[in-house]
Amino acid sequence: AQSVTQPDIHITVSEGASLELRCNYSYGATPYLFWYVQSPGQGLQLLLKYFSGDTLVQGIKGFEAEFKRSQSSFNLRKPSVHWSDAAEYFCAVGAAGTASKLTFGTGTRLQVTL
Amino acid sequence: SAVISQKPSRDICQRGTSLTIQCQVDSQVTMMFWYRQQPGQSLTLIATANQGSEATYESGFVIDKFPISRPNLTFSTLTVSNMSPEDSSIYLCSVGGTQTGNTEAFFGQGTRLTVV
Repeated sequence: AQSVTQPDIHITVSEGASLELRCNYSYGATPYLFWYVQSPGQGLQLLLKYFSGDTLVQGIKGFEAEFKRSQSSFNLRKPSVHWSDAAEYFCAVGAAGTASKLTFGTGTRLQVTL
Repeated sequence: SAVISQKPSRDICQRGTSLTIQCQVDSQVTMMFWYRQQPGQSLTLIATANQGSEATYESGFVIDKFPISRPNLTFSTLTVSNMSPEDSSIYLCSVGGTQTGNTEAFFGQGTRLTVV
């Protein structure tokens, strides 16, 4: 069975600083990988996804993530964080054949200081 | 993408009662799922809602507690039965897949349930 680890429970960055959120997965084959964001009281919004092909994927709101098979990682990055990026970020992996059936990591709460 | 309507958006219920949550999608999808998000926690898959047959439950979840229906390709319900305060969570419906292949998951806004 697949699993996802997000080592950082809580991260604080200053507005304008760069951001990297870590995600490691465990899955026997090539996984489907996702990053979702959840703002307080809101639903889940898909930031970006990796199905195949180019290992650097671009998402919405200026986010990108890089799939590194050798490290079983799919870290999320943003070059300059905005105060509105404060939220909970979830990395998720989908099983082959059912990309929408997801196993989620524990989440990373991002706090942005002004 | 798919637009998902989940009802109710929130509810406060008495212990021992049951609540049925509805999930309506604006297009036909092959996969429908129900997740639970306990306070301050991540999402945990409860079950896959199968059209025209019994749902497939994940370890730790049982049909008697979380009966699920899926009468067609656009609608599903989740019932939380005989509720206790430990059932206080956000329950989310998600969908994915079309007749032509895999897609990512799309989520409803969730139902925030408080059991008192």
